[in-house]
Amino acid sequence: GAVVSQHPSRVICKSGTSVKIECRSLDFQATTMFWYRQFPKQSLMLMATSNEGSKATYEQGVEKDKFLINHASLTLSTLTVTSAHPEDSSFYICSARTQSYEQYFGPGTRLTVT
Amino acid sequence: AQSVSQHNHHVILSEAASLELGCNYSYGGTVNLFWYVQYPGQHLQLLLKYFSGDPLVKGIKGFEAEFIKSKFSFNLRKPSVQWSDTAEYFCAVNPIGAGSYQLTFGKGTKLSVIP
Repeated sequence: GAVVSQHPSRVICKSGTSVKIECRSLDFQATTMFWYRQFPKQSLMLMATSNEGSKATYEQGVEKDKFLINHASLTLSTLTVTSAHPEDSSFYICSARTQSYEQYFGPGTRLTVT
Repeated sequence: AQSVSQHNHHVILSEAASLELGCNYSYGGTVNLFWYVQYPGQHLQLLLKYFSGDPLVKGIKGFEAEFIKSKFSFNLRKPSVQWSDTAEYFCAVNPIGAGSYQLTFGKGTKLSVIP
């Protein structure tokens, strides 16, 4: 299947700083990528839909000024957690949609805010 | 809004036992249906999908799922599980014609297979 990478896999940052997470589709172009958050022992919660060349669409309750998404190319979307706080600590997962409507997921990024 | 229900939170089976994981969704229109698997320490992988056609779909590693439209169900099955099937399984739904390609996930079912 298609390959999606995320970088970094783990990041620890201090409260108040910003963290950028990259999501790349390695062997296909993705006009649409998705960002999810996964809490321990829970399912994935969709945060936003990232469309190449346009503004991201955020789910209800997700602060767009806190979780900045940029989809600058057909293979790269970035999520920046601004002014991170301990409650932002979580597992962030991206996925990329193929032209046949399948979604392939990245390995996730474990964010810990101290 | 659509929702996806997975009936079992945790299933424990012995090797060679048969598996059936339930998945029901609430959406009146046409849907694409997916099962994803997340092995310990790994990322989500697509197990199988249903878009149209034969409602019995076969996926990787001997898994299959049956779409029953009248029951809004897409249950996952495997005749004989192996220890390596220990993982978390997520059912997901994508409504067609809703103007987006978002997936709505169920809460997941953890499968533990005892050797």
